Amino acid sequence: ELKVEQNPLFLSMQEGKNYTIYCNYSTTSDRLYWYRQDPGKSLESLFVLLSNGAVKQEGRLMASLDTKARLSTLHITAAVHDLSATYFCAVYNFGNEKLTFGTGTRLTIIP
Amino acid sequence: GAGVSQSPSNKVTEKGKDVELRCDPISGHTALYWYRQSLGQGLEFLIYFQGNSAPDKSGLPSDRFSAERTGGSVSTLTIQRTQQEDSAVYLCASSLLPGPNEKLFFGSGTQLSVL
Repeated sequence: ELKVEQNPLFLSMQEGKNYTIYCNYSTTSDRLYWYRQDPGKSLESLFVLLSNGAVKQEGRLMASLDTKARLSTLHITAAVHDLSATYFCAVYNFGNEKLTFGTGTRLTIIP
Repeated sequence: GAGVSQSPSNKVTEKGKDVELRCDPISGHTALYWYRQSLGQGLEFLIYFQGNSAPDKSGLPSDRFSAERTGGSVSTLTIQRTQQEDSAVYLCASSLLPGPNEKLFFGSGTQLSVL
């Protein structure tokens, strides 16, 4: 069974700082996704990573995928308050053709 | 419509009652997914539709749960004889096609509370 673990689960950081959220998964896959969820809102797709070594950047967020290590990272640069949200990674399981989500990282940016 | 629409947004019910949750996917999207999000948990896969058929029902937690999709569009998730542990946010998502290269678009969810 595919397991997806994120850490940290909770993260408070000051504006202007850099930090990284980690997503580890247990079986081979080269399809990984990052989503953002604001409180009471739906999930918004941030990145789709489709191969080993893939790197994507949007604003202050950058995501990367290392399929050999079964690890993806979401790096936040010079955090601003409006990045406060819960971030989920999800891994595509080719065996059963479905996405398995991590438990999420609740990010709070403190002014 | 412009996005995935779910109704109702909130549902409070008594234990033992049946509930129906509705999902309207983005027009033209062939794949539709139901997930459940419980407090402090990640998203738990429930069922996936390709067109009107459900190739994978493995995530449905018990036989009290069922889902259907008609006309390749609207889907209904039905929970019979609800239990308190069914309380969660039920999220629907759709994608243009199934498969690993597709982006999922999520609805805002239905918050189900079973008293």
